[in-house]
Amino acid sequence: GEDVEQSLFLSVREGDSSVINCTYTDSSSTYLYWYKQEPGAGLQLLTYIFSNMDMKQDQRLTVLLNKKDKHLSLRIADTQTGDSAIYFCASETGANNLFFGTGTRLTVIP
Amino acid sequence: ETGVTQTPRHLVMGMTNKKSLKCEQHLGHNAMYWYKQSAKKPLELMFVYSLEERVENNSVPSRFSPECPNSSHLFLHLHTLQPEDSALYLCASSQDRSYNEQFFGPGTRLTVL
Repeated sequence: GEDVEQSLFLSVREGDSSVINCTYTDSSSTYLYWYKQEPGAGLQLLTYIFSNMDMKQDQRLTVLLNKKDKHLSLRIADTQTGDSAIYFCASETGANNLFFGTGTRLTVIP
Repeated sequence: ETGVTQTPRHLVMGMTNKKSLKCEQHLGHNAMYWYKQSAKKPLELMFVYSLEERVENNSVPSRFSPECPNSSHLFLHLHTLQPEDSALYLCASSQDRSYNEQFFGPGTRLTVL
């Protein structure tokens, strides 16, 4: 099956940019997703990118995809304390299953 | 209520108990999922139901038994669990099996003593 890897922790200062990285192994991944999990809540879809794109921007969020290196990143501009959460990267394969990473816990320091 | 709800939110059980987790979605979706979230591990897909039929069972031990009586409800029946089964169990739904924007419930935090 697909392996999706993320670092476990990231700390940034309020107002700085955050970059959360993810790597995956299945080159046939069709869509790649970023989900956010706030304390005590389930995962919420933030954004996704189709595998034939290399960038997608949505307000403060920028997703970059390097398909050759199987590397996905999520950049959050002007990070706020409300952005503190766990961010999950997920890859969709041809079987319509989502494979998730471990999640990266983002801590925003005021 | 809107979205995906799960009950109970917290559950503590002994290894010999039998309990059930409930999930309900109010979104009119046709596919529902159970995931297991353990610390420092990837989110693990356990079961997938599409139109009330189980379409995926990812080598989950038989002490976990899912049930989907209709497209709005999903249960996870638990019996003779082990302490390593302690985790957050998340339910999700999507419009259908081929549409992968999944909507998650808040989860049930399970502790097995």
